[in-house]
Amino acid sequence: GAVVSQHPSWVICKSGTSVKIECRSLDFQATTMFWYRQFPKQSLMLMATSNEGSKATYEQGVEKDKFLINHASLTLSTLTVTSAHPEDSSFYICSAEQGKDTQYFGPGTRLTVL
Amino acid sequence: RKEVEQDPGPFNVPEGATVAFNCTYSNSASQSFFWYRQDCRKEPKLLMSVYSSGNEDGRFTAQLNRASQYISLLIRDSKLSDSATYLCVVKGGGSNFGNEKLTFGTGTRLTIIP
Repeated sequence: GAVVSQHPSWVICKSGTSVKIECRSLDFQATTMFWYRQFPKQSLMLMATSNEGSKATYEQGVEKDKFLINHASLTLSTLTVTSAHPEDSSFYICSAEQGKDTQYFGPGTRLTVL
Repeated sequence: RKEVEQDPGPFNVPEGATVAFNCTYSNSASQSFFWYRQDCRKEPKLLMSVYSSGNEDGRFTAQLNRASQYISLLIRDSKLSDSATYLCVVKGGGSNFGNEKLTFGTGTRLTIIP
């Protein structure tokens, strides 16, 4: 299957700092990538859809100015959590779409904001 | 009402037994259906797609009933390695976005007991 990587795999930061998470499709080109967030014992919730070369589309309730998404190439999308606070602590997972139906997920980034 | 509903479990099943999971979805416009498995603190991985005609992959059988908006997963001869959370996933027909969005159920936690 296709491979999607994320970096970093975990990060601990102080409240008020910004954190950038990278998502890469390693062996295929992905016009569309997705960013999800998962809190403990909850399901994945889609935050935004990232399209190469255009602005991301955010789900209702997700602040676009807080969660900055850049999809500058067909193999890389980045999510920047700006001015992170403890309530932003979560498991952030990206996925990249290959073909019409299949999304491949990255291994996730565990963010802890102190 | 949640868009995708699953019994959260946990299901504790002896090794070798057969176990079945059910899932219902609310939007009749949904187009594609999947089962993913997620191990603790890991990303979801596609287990199988689900079709109206039913499909089987080894010990796993998935079934879709569009009229009832119901999806099932059957695991036969369960193995210890089957212990995971099983996510029912529906594509399309999301409440806030177009056709490419995946909507995840909260997952059903399965533990296979030796």
